[in-house]
Amino acid sequence: KQEVTQIPAALSVPEGENLVLNCSFTDSAIYNLQWFRQDPGKGLTSLLLIQSSQREQTSGRLNASLDKSSGRSTLYIAASQPGDSATYLCAVTDSNYQLIWGAGTKLIIKP
Amino acid sequence: KAGVTQTPRYLIKTRGQQVTLSCSPISGHRSVSWYQQTPGQGLQFLFEYFSETQRNKGNFPGRFSGRQFSNSRSEMNVSTLELGDSALYLCASSFQDGTGELFFGEGSRLTVL
Repeated sequence: KQEVTQIPAALSVPEGENLVLNCSFTDSAIYNLQWFRQDPGKGLTSLLLIQSSQREQTSGRLNASLDKSSGRSTLYIAASQPGDSATYLCAVTDSNYQLIWGAGTKLIIKP
Repeated sequence: KAGVTQTPRYLIKTRGQQVTLSCSPISGHRSVSWYQQTPGQGLQFLFEYFSETQRNKGNFPGRFSGRQFSNSRSEMNVSTLELGDSALYLCASSFQDGTGELFFGEGSRLTVL
């Protein structure tokens, strides 16, 4: 059974720092991995989608990597800003085409 | 281009009642999936529809059901509501069939008293 874990559960850093969020999964048979952000009381916003054949994706200050063999993905945020404060979730599409979610990392960027 | 629209945004029901939630996907998207989000269980997959057919279903009781119409709009229904059904219900649409990027609505927050 696929399980997705995100570490740390919460992170607080000063503005301007570069930071890394981690996501691990137990079964390497995935179609893709996605990173989302969720603001309080809101829906989810897709940040990056990495297909299983890809190693990384970049969008602006965000870079996500995927190492399927080790069951890991990282989301790198460069030059963090207070507006980046949110909960970041990763999810994998498993072999049954179901999306399996991590519990999220709550990120606070202090001005 | 309009995003994913979910209605109603908030609703309060009592135990034993039933509820219907609606989701209008992005124009051109044929896949609609539903998720339940609670503080205790996090995000859990409910079901996915593609071209009016349920292609995938999560591990939820039969009280949870859904359907998709020919215009790709989808509804989900929960019958005989329980206190534990209180949650944020999120709908997502995708152009592709289960492996594409997902676009989420703002969600419907259901409170069961």
